[in-house]
Amino acid sequence: QKEVEQNSGPLSVPEGAIASLNCTYSDRGSQSFFWYRQYSGKSPELIMSIYSNGDKEDGRFTAQLNKASQYVSLLIRDSQPSDSATYLCAVGENSGGSNYKLTFGKGTLLTVNP
Amino acid sequence: GAVVSQHPSWVICKSGTSVKIECRSLDFQATTMFWYRQFPKQSLMLMATSNEGSKATYEQGVEKDKFLINHASLTLSTLTVTSAHPEDSSFYICSARDLAGGVNEQFFGPGTRLTVL
Repeated sequence: QKEVEQNSGPLSVPEGAIASLNCTYSDRGSQSFFWYRQYSGKSPELIMSIYSNGDKEDGRFTAQLNKASQYVSLLIRDSQPSDSATYLCAVGENSGGSNYKLTFGKGTLLTVNP
Repeated sequence: GAVVSQHPSWVICKSGTSVKIECRSLDFQATTMFWYRQFPKQSLMLMATSNEGSKATYEQGVEKDKFLINHASLTLSTLTVTSAHPEDSSFYICSARDLAGGVNEQFFGPGTRLTVL
């Protein structure tokens, strides 16, 4: 059973601070990693995808991947109250033939305080 | 780009009835769509993978005769919850892979909230 672990939080940071969200995964062979944001009552929204070791930056978001440690993180710089949401880490796997699926962590609830 | 729609956004039905949910990729072709279910304060659980023109692949523990999936075209997949019961009340979300836009990225529809009385 492939597992994706996240700290459920809540993680509370002041406005303007850096929020750091962490995720570990069990399958050493995983190649694709994603961060989704989910507001309460809404469906997930893709924020970042990362496939190679190192950092990937997109605006205020930076995803970091360390395959040796089986660890992926998301940094949010200059956090805004509108960033308050649950952040889901997802790991991709080939499930046979052309099938491909994501395994999600339980999510970390982030609260950015004005 | 990569917009996925779902219909209806919410539905309330009596126990024993069947409910059909549609998932459409609006600006891309999706050979593969996925159906998830999310209970309150829990993460998304994959129910099945839907491939255009072939039978769906169900996850362990998901009853294929209860959750009927049809993927008749490259832009439409449907999930029918047959003989729904209160324990089927949940948030059902579909997603689709845009192979042209990114290798394995999935984009989610807005979800359908099902309440079975």
